[in-house]
Amino acid sequence: AQSVTQLDSHVSVSEGTPVLLRCNYSSSYSPSLFWYVQHPNKGLQLLLKYTSAATLVKGINGFEAEFKKSETSFHLTKPSAHMSDAAEYFCVVSEGGGSYIPTFGRGTSLIVHP
Amino acid sequence: KAGVTQTPRYLIKTRGQQVTLSCSPISGHRSVSWYQQTPGQGLQFLFEYFSETQRNKGNFPGRFSGRQFSNSRSEMNVSTLELGDSALYLCASSLGDRDHYEQFFGPGTRLTVL
Repeated sequence: AQSVTQLDSHVSVSEGTPVLLRCNYSSSYSPSLFWYVQHPNKGLQLLLKYTSAATLVKGINGFEAEFKKSETSFHLTKPSAHMSDAAEYFCVVSEGGGSYIPTFGRGTSLIVHP
Repeated sequence: KAGVTQTPRYLIKTRGQQVTLSCSPISGHRSVSWYQQTPGQGLQFLFEYFSETQRNKGNFPGRFSGRQFSNSRSEMNVSTLELGDSALYLCASSLGDRDHYEQFFGPGTRLTVL
């Protein structure tokens, strides 16, 4: 069985400071992991994905995430927050093994202060 | 390339009615998945269709059903609506093969049940 836990429901940062959104996962197989962003009243947009290639994954808009198997983590980071980064972020695990039903975390709301 | 489109964008129904939502995937995508998003439960997987066949199913009652047409367009139907069915319903399309399960989301249909 697979599961995903986003450790913070809200993260507040100042513009120009680093962003860290934490995600832990559980999977019986070698998982694929994703981060999606959802701006208000919009659908979800893929930021980046890990599919067993490089453990450090670079995504769009300056975001990146590192897959750490020993820690079962896939934290999302960005060196410098921008006001436009304010949104809801979802960590997603899909473990394969014949079933590709993805499991979404509960989401982390990123608040960016000027 | 056009993105995923969903119609209608907003719907208001009353308890006991039924509703049909439509989703047009990205051209060439054979997989369409449906999700329900609510503040209380977050994003929950409803079902996935691939080449006109339901390939995966989440844990929702039989009132929720779907289908996919030969052009990959998909519809979702909810019968005997309940107040708790009020939600944002998201559709996502993907190539659907084992190595390319990146999903592209539509803007969603906001369903309000009175």
